[in-house]
Amino acid sequence: QQPVQSPQAVILREGEDAVINCSSSKALYSVHWYRQKHGEAPVFLMILLKGGEQKGHEKISASFNEKKQQSSLYLTASQLSYSGTYFCGRPGFNKFYFGSGTKLNVKP
Amino acid sequence: GAVVSQHPSWVICKSGTSVKIECRSLDFQATTMFWYRQFPKQSLMLMATSNEGSKATYEQGVEKDKFLINHASLTLSTLTVTSAHPEDSSFYICSAARDGGGTEAFFGQGTRLTVV
Repeated sequence: QQPVQSPQAVILREGEDAVINCSSSKALYSVHWYRQKHGEAPVFLMILLKGGEQKGHEKISASFNEKKQQSSLYLTASQLSYSGTYFCGRPGFNKFYFGSGTKLNVKP
Repeated sequence: GAVVSQHPSWVICKSGTSVKIECRSLDFQATTMFWYRQFPKQSLMLMATSNEGSKATYEQGVEKDKFLINHASLTLSTLTVTSAHPEDSSFYICSAARDGGGTEAFFGQGTRLTVV
């Protein structure tokens, strides 16, 4: 039920890039991306609905593959504020499941 | 984005007592509310889904009698942890959706429960 994310954790220097992957064994209706800071609720980043879709802006963007079983989140020229745990999420029938999470730590 | 208010933000209670957590959608009608539990350094685990006016649907392994969920209106859902024990200590988060979660779900601030 729960999507699998990789890597589990990543450490970056400011200005470096990162890619976070989210995989599902079954095709997804849609994929959502959230970021959570320690002790806080998750914050919505974006949603992708269509296979082959790419979305976002210059610094944070995401893609959804044609088969709708994998999504990737791209963080470009990372900033300190990007630190946190990133979750992908997928809706089920009247349910919503989060991925396993990727902890991102951006250092000066 | 829409606003979801969760209360209290943190609570400490004694073993054996019950604790109620409220989740309110302030500026939209939430047909569906989700309740999650999060242990340190882990993902959010879906506990149950509640739809207004009907019984909650619990995930496998979640005790219905221990975690009572009520979704009495389109703007309010409550989670009551009954006869709390230290192992119930966790971060509980609700989220509300207009359409069953197919589009964006909006999160409450979370409740840190500590049972002593």
